[in-house]
Amino acid sequence: SQQGEEDPQALSIQEGENATMNCSYKTSINNLQWYRQNSGRGLVHLILIRSNEREKHSGRLRVTLDTSKKSSSLLITASRAADTASYFCATAASGNTPLVFGKGTRLSVIA
Amino acid sequence: DTGVSQDPRHKITKRGQNVTFRCDPISEHNRLYWYRQTLGQGPEFLTYFQNEAQLEKSRLLSDRFSAERPKGSFSTLEIQRTEQGDSAMYLCAGSGQGTTGELFFGEGSRLTVL
Repeated sequence: SQQGEEDPQALSIQEGENATMNCSYKTSINNLQWYRQNSGRGLVHLILIRSNEREKHSGRLRVTLDTSKKSSSLLITASRAADTASYFCATAASGNTPLVFGKGTRLSVIA
Repeated sequence: DTGVSQDPRHKITKRGQNVTFRCDPISEHNRLYWYRQTLGQGPEFLTYFQNEAQLEKSRLLSDRFSAERPKGSFSTLEIQRTEQGDSAMYLCAGSGQGTTGELFFGEGSRLTVL
């Protein structure tokens, strides 16, 4: 079963704009992670945020976590055509449980 | 490049045949995971190993599926008597010891069952 639910399912923006994707989950978590997947390729880890953290930055990425609402958001600033990919959130219920992935958001950045 | 390799990258087989996929993680990866991904969906957990021990299996892993990780190095995932519903991308991922952190995925093995 998939715990995370990304919103929107698909997003199309112009190069230079910001892209925001949201993730909601159902049970308590140890950490939440975001991954990127180019078409037909494996997933690449972007960022991990722990349950006791509220915000994290990495380059053009900004992730927030609201455990009271069981939600997270991924912001990509100043998007580029190369950011076109599917983005997945994944949650770990505890320190030893496997990651559970959502269905993903398909981002298209138009040059 | 994550250093995790999977073989074969693509496999086309007829219904009823057996297939085997192999995953080679990097040496530091004590944990090894198998996921399955169908078109338009996120990866679904199948099973994982801590060194050579298989610690958890999903209900998705029917008795036609078997995974091994001899000596805690490479891993194989075998599907016996394949069905059309088995058509998917099979993803392998490794991670270091400790709490569930970053996963390093291979490029996947795409299975098509005719």
